[in-house]
Amino acid sequence: DSGVTQTPKHLITATGQRVTLRCSPRSGDLSVYWYQQSLDQGLQFLIQYYNGEERAKGNILERFSAQQFPDLHSELNLSSLELGDSALYFCASSVGSTQGAGGNTIYFGEGSWLTVV
Amino acid sequence: AQSVTQLDSHVSVSEGTPVLLRCNYSSSYSPSLFWYVQHPNKGLQLLLKYTSAATLVKGINGFEAEFKKSETSFHLTKPSAHMSDAAEYFCVVGGGFKTIFGAGTRLFVKA
Repeated sequence: DSGVTQTPKHLITATGQRVTLRCSPRSGDLSVYWYQQSLDQGLQFLIQYYNGEERAKGNILERFSAQQFPDLHSELNLSSLELGDSALYFCASSVGSTQGAGGNTIYFGEGSWLTVV
Repeated sequence: AQSVTQLDSHVSVSEGTPVLLRCNYSSSYSPSLFWYVQHPNKGLQLLLKYTSAATLVKGINGFEAEFKKSETSFHLTKPSAHMSDAAEYFCVVGGGFKTIFGAGTRLFVKA
């Protein structure tokens, strides 16, 4: 158990809908990361928050947004869903803000499976 | 700029034989390197990490990796494969603004 908690574990929704994925980081971790994993694109970094502020942006679509709250939990909002958004969405956390640097290890949650039908 | 290449998309070994998963990296500064394992329908679990201390890094479940700067490699090894090692393995390079994941290597273990 990594200590990173994600909900829901599975979600099925229709095209055009909006969903929210939730993540609680490990105790003491200030950074939260969101990743998308699909069969055709592999593991893609979406966005990172550090202590409530956006820190880095990856391949995140404009239809997607995220935020980190004062209690450090984070939410990833996916809107106007398309079939191609079906994927496993991971949340991860780390103590510091710089990914991987100086041993700043990233710990992953179990993921949220999103199926868009 | 940083990049990471996992040289094999699939590796198949017999139970009890050695495992070698190959990873080459590119980094303009001293990198942090990681190996993660992902079992089916699970999250990524950290196996081991290199952060400029000892070049031979020991991880969980009998895995280890050796950092070779001259070869820009960070190959993952295990002396004897177990059925439970069947999974996908990701080599990761960090140390900068973004962490870069390799494409993954699927390890198959035959009985």
